[in-house]
Amino acid sequence: KAGVTQTPRYLIKTRGQQVTLSCSPISGHRSVSWYQQTPGQGLQFLFEYFSETQRNKGNFPGRFSGRQFSNSRSEMNVSTLELGDSALYLCASKTGGTDTQYFGPGTRLTVL
Amino acid sequence: QKEVEQDPGPLSVPEGAIVSLNCTYSNSAFQYFMWYRQYSRKGPELLMYTYSSGNKEDGRFTAQVDKSSKYISLFIRDSQPSDSATYLCAIAQGGSEKLVFGKGTKLTVNP
Repeated sequence: KAGVTQTPRYLIKTRGQQVTLSCSPISGHRSVSWYQQTPGQGLQFLFEYFSETQRNKGNFPGRFSGRQFSNSRSEMNVSTLELGDSALYLCASKTGGTDTQYFGPGTRLTVL
Repeated sequence: QKEVEQDPGPLSVPEGAIVSLNCTYSNSAFQYFMWYRQYSRKGPELLMYTYSSGNKEDGRFTAQVDKSSKYISLFIRDSQPSDSATYLCAIAQGGSEKLVFGKGTKLTVNP
């Protein structure tokens, strides 16, 4: 089975721009979660989607949003980028029950 | 108090050593415990997944959970240079899809 894929792998943006990141989960997985990883804060939960509905949300401002499509693929969007948004954004998928999550390679976002 | 505390290291050991990595957590509602390994510039890779207190072994890796002390450990036997990575503990409440991660411990195994 193919793993979780994320595109693009690297992205450079400037402050004030917006960005959209994409995640394709493992085939058959209906739950997709997004995490932000920074050296200072570590891995922090952004939100989780299941069957096109946001099921959980972390403590991030409204500039961070996401959606999930009927094929379980997910996108996250960050508007009005700030320097502090520079991070590795990781997507993880699972079947939907209380089993474990499998991570993609991440998208490294740099905001200049 | 942070939900999960993990010593960031770094930890440097010689090849063949036994490595002990630890995390403590504050909320007794957490029921699911995981260890992930993350190589540089890669996503986290699941190593161990446990639900109850006790030990779980998989090859050279042993995960230990002590719910009474809110303490989880990962032991690596006969460590290899290929084990050099950052190790992250992660915990979750039952029914919640949110994983709470420790900051990670960077391990270097020297040949």
